[in-house]
Amino acid sequence: GAGVSQSPSNKVTEKGKDVELRCDPISGHTALYWYRQRLGQGLEFLIYFQGNSAPDKSGLPSDRFSAERTGESVSTLTIQRTQQEDSAVYLCASFGQNYGYTFGSGTRLTVV
Amino acid sequence: AQSVTQLDSHVSVSEGTPVLLRCNYSSSYSPSLFWYVQHPNKGLQLLLKYTSAATLVKGINGFEAEFKKSETSFHLTKPSAHMSDAAEYFCVVSSHSNTGKLIFGQGTTLQVKP
Repeated sequence: GAGVSQSPSNKVTEKGKDVELRCDPISGHTALYWYRQRLGQGLEFLIYFQGNSAPDKSGLPSDRFSAERTGESVSTLTIQRTQQEDSAVYLCASFGQNYGYTFGSGTRLTVV
Repeated sequence: AQSVTQLDSHVSVSEGTPVLLRCNYSSSYSPSLFWYVQHPNKGLQLLLKYTSAATLVKGINGFEAEFKKSETSFHLTKPSAHMSDAAEYFCVVSSHSNTGKLIFGQGTTLQVKP
């Protein structure tokens, strides 16, 4: 596609529920990143994919967070048993040599 | 390890006056540095990037930044602020691990007064 697409754009969930966030990167971009942005703060790195492998998961805050990627395409970030501190905007970016990093518009997650 | 520090959390200027947003970085290697802008409820937009070519980097919308190795700084400037420049600005360094992940500063909110 023309850009990085994320869905849903907004998600409100009850504490304790599981959520899945989706990222559809630019076609041909092998590198994909997930970041989290809490209110009024910068972006925190969560996980990096090269193809469908994740050589750097160092930013995942707890074992409630996991992510997977199908080939060099869609990635899903899953948060299990959501907590109020998980409320944030989750951003996905893909990287290509010609255009560098391209960010999606994010998913705003609110845990109530 | 790489890191960035944005020295001001908020900057307020009058329309038509110069903008200076300050950023210092820490890196063991020659860094790749970026400035991104985020308008309210909008996605991140790349303003400019430095990748070891010219030390004065020109970006979009009249912004530019100068890489100063001796001062480990990469300050963002614009000669004349416009109301539409009001936004959150992030200074970013690229990790020199083979992941290429970006490390963000905490952000500077730019307010432009009429």
